[in-house]
Amino acid sequence: GAGVSQSPRYKVAKRGQDVALRCDPISGHVSLFWYQQALGQGPEFLTYFQNEAQLDKSGLPSDRFFAERPEGSVSTLKIQRTQQEDSAVYLCASSQEGAGSQAFFGQGTRLTVV
Amino acid sequence: SQKIEQNSEALNIQEGKTATLTCNYTNYSPAYLQWYRQDPGRGPVFLLLIRENEKEKRKERLKVTFDTTLKQSLFHITASQPADSATYLCALDTGSGGYQKVTFGIGTKLQVIP
Repeated sequence: GAGVSQSPRYKVAKRGQDVALRCDPISGHVSLFWYQQALGQGPEFLTYFQNEAQLDKSGLPSDRFFAERPEGSVSTLKIQRTQQEDSAVYLCASSQEGAGSQAFFGQGTRLTVV
Repeated sequence: SQKIEQNSEALNIQEGKTATLTCNYTNYSPAYLQWYRQDPGRGPVFLLLIRENEKEKRKERLKVTFDTTLKQSLFHITASQPADSATYLCALDTGSGGYQKVTFGIGTKLQVIP
C-alpha cells in the first residue's frame, strides 16, 4: 500500500482483556514509532524500532504494554489485562532513516476499554 | 522539566486572514522542528520541517519561523480557507540516542470561519 495501515480501526475491549494492534508501515521504512493519543492531547511517544530492533521503549506506560517488529516490517502493539485508562487512539508512524525524516502516520486504532 | 507548549485554546479566524500559531519549548536544543496537521479521526500529516540554522521556511501559503534564542516557532497560514480548519501540532526531535524521537505539543485547533 501507499501509506501506513493500522488495524483494527476500532477496538472495544472488556477490562482485563488482552488486545493486539497491528501496524503495516510503508515498505522500506527503517524507523517505526508507536504513539498514544488521548482525547484533546497531542500524541505521546511509546516506543521506537529501527528495523527489528526496539531501541527505545521508554514511553510504554507499564509492563502490560509490549511491542514487537520481528522481521523489521509489520509491528504489533500488545496490551495485556486492559484497563480503562488505556482507552485512547494508538498511532503508528514510519519514516526513512535519518534525522529530520518525515514521519508518515496511519489513521490509528481507537481503543475503548469498558 | 522539558516542555513543548502550544496554545491549547482554539483559534478562530475569518476566511482570508492570516492565522498565526505559536510553539514554545523549554530545556530542549532541537536540531529541527516540524509542524503537522491533524484532522478528526485521522493521523497527523507532515507539513513542514525547519532546521536550527534556518530562520524561515515557506511552502505555498504556509510559513514557519524558528527562533532558537527565544525557543519559539511561529506557524503562519496566509489567505486562510475553511479547509485549513484542523488541529496543528508542533513537534521536536528530543532524542539523544542517535535516532529521531519526535515529541509533540498538545496542538492548537484552528477554525476558519467563512
